[in-house]
Amino acid sequence: GQQVMQIPQYQHVQEGEDFTTYCNSSTTLSNIQWYKQRPGGHPVFLIQLVKSGEVKKQKRLTFQFGEAKKNSSLHITATQTTDVGTYFCAVTGNQFYFGTGTSLTVIP
Amino acid sequence: GAVVSQHPSRVICKSGTSVKIECRSLDFQATTMFWYRQFPKQSLMLMATSNEGSKATYEQGVEKDKFLINHASLTLSTLTVTSAHPEDSSFYICSAMRGAGADTQYFGPGTRLTVL
Repeated sequence: GQQVMQIPQYQHVQEGEDFTTYCNSSTTLSNIQWYKQRPGGHPVFLIQLVKSGEVKKQKRLTFQFGEAKKNSSLHITATQTTDVGTYFCAVTGNQFYFGTGTSLTVIP
Repeated sequence: GAVVSQHPSRVICKSGTSVKIECRSLDFQATTMFWYRQFPKQSLMLMATSNEGSKATYEQGVEKDKFLINHASLTLSTLTVTSAHPEDSSFYICSAMRGAGADTQYFGPGTRLTVL
């Protein structure tokens, strides 16, 4: 079945530092989505990437889709305590699969 | 944005009983709804895909006779955990897609099930 790995599994950063999570697939993807789940909450859709090499920005968040459409990254510039949560990538193949997630802790 | 509700938000039941969880799309019609379970500090695992008016499609390893799914209308899907056991304790989350061909999923707030 579809395998979607995310690294790192956990990340602790000092407030103001940057943060990046990577999502890697064993197969070529038609698109990739990113979600954020706050502690105790439910996943919230952030963005969808479709095109090879696509880069999208949302304020301090930068999302990138690899040229081969097998990997993606989410970069947060100058993290804030409100960025705390788990970030999941999700891919649509025959089904909809979530990545393993990266849990971000921001130390004030 | 689209709103999806779940009820109840928390439920505690005795082993051997059945629990029904409702998932509703409040401001749109959802032809497809998904049911996930999430264990602490783990990712979401898709259990089944629920299509209005037809039988649900279950993921490998998910017992369809234990996790009964009914998608009776375009705004309501229910998951019934039958003969619940402590190992069924988990966070159950539904999501809904708005219309055919849509990619974005809107998630409900989740239901925390504890089986004693």
